Amino acid sequence: DAKTTQPPSMDCAEGRAANLPCNHSTISGNEYVYWYRQIHSQGPQYIIHGLKNNETNEMASLIITEDRKSSTLILPHATLRDTAVYYCIVKGNSKLTFGKGITLSVRP
Amino acid sequence: NAGVTQTPKFRILKIGQSMTLQCAQDMNHNYMYWYRQDPGMGLKLIYYSVGAGITDKGEVPNGYNVSRSTTEYFPLRLELAAPSQTSVYFCASTHVSNSPLHFGNGTRLTVT
Repeated sequence: DAKTTQPPSMDCAEGRAANLPCNHSTISGNEYVYWYRQIHSQGPQYIIHGLKNNETNEMASLIITEDRKSSTLILPHATLRDTAVYYCIVKGNSKLTFGKGITLSVRP
Repeated sequence: NAGVTQTPKFRILKIGQSMTLQCAQDMNHNYMYWYRQDPGMGLKLIYYSVGAGITDKGEVPNGYNVSRSTTEYFPLRLELAAPSQTSVYFCASTHVSNSPLHFGNGTRLTVT
């Protein structure tokens, strides 16, 4: 599976959009981009995934660049409850491999 | 549906003791996984299963064993507990390999 690179941390103000970047320059054609988050010490929670088209659901939007070498997770109106570690993962047919993720801190 | 259920939630073991971490899912998922998470780190895959009777090693299988006799259950066995196995253990399941994983709430294990 392709590796991903995320900054270690970022913050944003409550009510503003949070844009979380992820680089995956070695991604293969059949590999999906997944985003999970982990709040405190709970089990990771699935957010969204995509192959090459942009995706949106009730939680977030996923923007994938045309060359698929990077993506951005967008939380449109961040709340304090969105403070968590966010994992960007690239996965084909094999196992899900987690890196250290990015810690998002939402400030009041 | 209860989803993925892990028991116990917490456990303290002495060095050399053994125990089984339980994982059950009621979603009829074929794929099941065991991960461990050390403080400040991402999750590392221990073992996984693509269906009843089939298991395979992940990144960090040493010191652990698994079995998958039914679709619902995927227990993780520690035979001789060591301090290095102090961690939070997460079980996950999914229907097919490219579907999102559903995680349990974890078992927090301390070995002293």
